[in-house]
Amino acid sequence: GAGVSQSPSNKVTEKGKDVELRCDPISGHTALYWYRQSLGQGLEFLIYFQGNSAPDKSGLPSDRFSAERTGGSVSTLTIQRTQQEDSAVYLCASSRVWTFSEAFFGQGTRLTVV
Amino acid sequence: GDSVTQMEGPVTLSEEAFLTINCTYTATGYPSLFWYVQYPGEGLQLLLKATKADDKGSNKGFEATYRKETTSFHLEKGSVQVSDSAVYFCALSAKGESGGSNYKLTFGKGTLLTVNP
Repeated sequence: GAGVSQSPSNKVTEKGKDVELRCDPISGHTALYWYRQSLGQGLEFLIYFQGNSAPDKSGLPSDRFSAERTGGSVSTLTIQRTQQEDSAVYLCASSRVWTFSEAFFGQGTRLTVV
Repeated sequence: GDSVTQMEGPVTLSEEAFLTINCTYTATGYPSLFWYVQYPGEGLQLLLKATKADDKGSNKGFEATYRKETTSFHLEKGSVQVSDSAVYFCALSAKGESGGSNYKLTFGKGTLLTVNP
């Protein structure tokens, strides 16, 4: 596609429910990132996929969070048993693998846990 | 590990004032450096970049020079406008710990700029 696509754009869920957030990266981009941006906060790194390498999961805040990337393209971020503190905008970005290649961001999914 | 430190905001300026947002980094090897901008209600977008020492990235009147000796990439603009009000993020791309082709982007926490008319 022309850009990074994320769905849904908005999600309201009840505390304790599971949610899945989807990211479609730019075609040909082998690197894919998930970030979280809470109200008034900076970017919090969550997870990084690069080609067939093992993902860097060092930013996932708890074991309720998981992500996968199928076929080296689409990625899904899953949050189990959501809590109110999970409310944030979840951003996905993709890039080529070269050091000088910038990341392109999607518009994000605004998650609200009530 | 790699890290980016940028000045904490918020920064509030009057229109036509000079802007500097400081950014310093730590990284192994020779990273590429970026400034991203997030306008209110919009997604992050690349503002400018520099890929090697002494390179100057520029766009929309903003400039930043890659200073290897001071490990810095400060963002400057000579005369800001109200439309420059946004959050600015400094970032670097460097090889991950596993090396090879595993490049990873690391972001600073962002600096909120408000420009008043």
